[in-house]
Amino acid sequence: GAVVSQHPSRVICKSGTSVKIECRSLDFQATTMFWYRQFPKQSLMLMATSNEGSKATYEQGVEKDKFLINHASLTLSTLTVTSAHPEDSSFYICSARDPGQAASPLHFGNGTRLTVT
Amino acid sequence: GQNIDQPTEMTATEGAIVQINCTYQTSGFNGLFWYQQHAGEAPTFLSYNVLDGLEEKGRFSSFLSRSKGYSYLLLKELQMKDSASYLCAVLDSNYQLIWGAGTKLIIKP
Repeated sequence: GAVVSQHPSRVICKSGTSVKIECRSLDFQATTMFWYRQFPKQSLMLMATSNEGSKATYEQGVEKDKFLINHASLTLSTLTVTSAHPEDSSFYICSARDPGQAASPLHFGNGTRLTVT
Repeated sequence: GQNIDQPTEMTATEGAIVQINCTYQTSGFNGLFWYQQHAGEAPTFLSYNVLDGLEEKGRFSSFLSRSKGYSYLLLKELQMKDSASYLCAVLDSNYQLIWGAGTKLIIKP
C-alpha cells in the first residue's frame, strides 16, 4: 500500500491565486520530506527539502517566498504555491524516506498536477 | 561534481530482454536505486543495491559494481506495460539522492 499520500492529485487554479499541496507519511514518521517538480518529458528536479520543526532548504533557483513549505508535524509537509502563474504549471511530487531504515528507498506520493490558467 | 549517466531512450520488442545501464560518479556511495515512472505518474521503487552483485526480483534484476561505478537494470520477458522511464539514483555520502535523467523504454509488439 501507499506509504506516502499526496493531495490533491489534480488542481486547476487561476493566475494569481495560491495552491496548497499536502504530503503525508502514512507508515512512518518523516523528519525530512522532499519536494520535486517535473515538467513534461523532463527529469525530476528537487525543489526543496522539508525539515520538521525548522526551515526548509531550497535548491538554487527556487524562490522560497513563492514556494512556501511547512513541515509542522512528523507526518505532514505542505507546499504552497503562492501567486501562481501559468509557468508554474507542472507535476509536483513529494517524497520521504523512513528514518528507521538506514538506506530505505524514497517513497513517492502520487503527485499533484497543477494547471494555472 | 556529481554525475549519473544513463541512455536517454531505448527500444525493445515484447517478450525480449533489455538491459539499461547506469554509470555514476558521486561524493560517496550509500546505495543505488532504480525507479520506474510511467508517463504522468510518480516514480515507483523497483530495486536497491548497496553491495556488488545481482539482485533478482521476478522479471527485473539489478546489478551493481561499486569499483566500476556501474549498475544495470535487466528486464526479462518484456511486456507492453513495461513501457516507461527508468530512473537510476544514487544515495551519496550525505544520504542525498542524486538522480539520473532517466531512460525512456519503448516496447514494440
